[in-house]
Amino acid sequence: AQSVTQPDIHITVSEGASLELRCNYSYGATPYLFWYVQSPGQGLQLLLKYFSGDTLVQGIKGFEAEFKRSQSSFNLRKPSVHWSDAAEYFCAVEGQGGSEKLVFGKGTKLTVNP
Amino acid sequence: EPEVTQTPSHQVTQMGQEVILRCVPISNHLYFYWYRQILGQKVEFLVSFYNNEISEKSEIFDDQFSVERPDGSNFTLKIRSTKLEDSAMYFCASRPRVGYTFGSGTRLTVV
Repeated sequence: AQSVTQPDIHITVSEGASLELRCNYSYGATPYLFWYVQSPGQGLQLLLKYFSGDTLVQGIKGFEAEFKRSQSSFNLRKPSVHWSDAAEYFCAVEGQGGSEKLVFGKGTKLTVNP
Repeated sequence: EPEVTQTPSHQVTQMGQEVILRCVPISNHLYFYWYRQILGQKVEFLVSFYNNEISEKSEIFDDQFSVERPDGSNFTLKIRSTKLEDSAMYFCASRPRVGYTFGSGTRLTVV
């Protein structure tokens, strides 16, 4: 069965610092991979997705993620964090074919210090 | 950009009451889903719907839950007799062949 691990429950960074949020997945083949962001009380906004091709994908708000097959990882990065990036971040995996469901990680809460 | 629309954004209901959560998926999408997120926890899959029938459901989706696509545009989730533990944010989603679009959610509070 598919699973997603986000090892960091809570991360605190200073504004302007770089950020990396970790995500590891378990799936038999190459899945579709996603990062979503959720502000308090809000819905899920898609930051970026990986289906195939270039393993470095660019998303909205200056985020990028790199798919590393050998490490079963899809880590999210941002070179310079803004206070407005404070939110919860979810990594998710979707299997290929049919009506595959999304499996989410438990999320990483990001706090940004001024 | 097309959106998935969910109504209401917040619903309060008494324990034991029936509740219907409504969603309007993106019109040319083929697959429809409900997910839920209990406060402070991860997003969990409830049910997927394709070709006018349930294609997969989770253990959470017991006999108290049902889904319908009554008129080809709306997609509803009904909880027959709500329990306190049904309090959560419920997200509707739809997709074409690949790539989800989520609605902004309905926060259900059971009192």
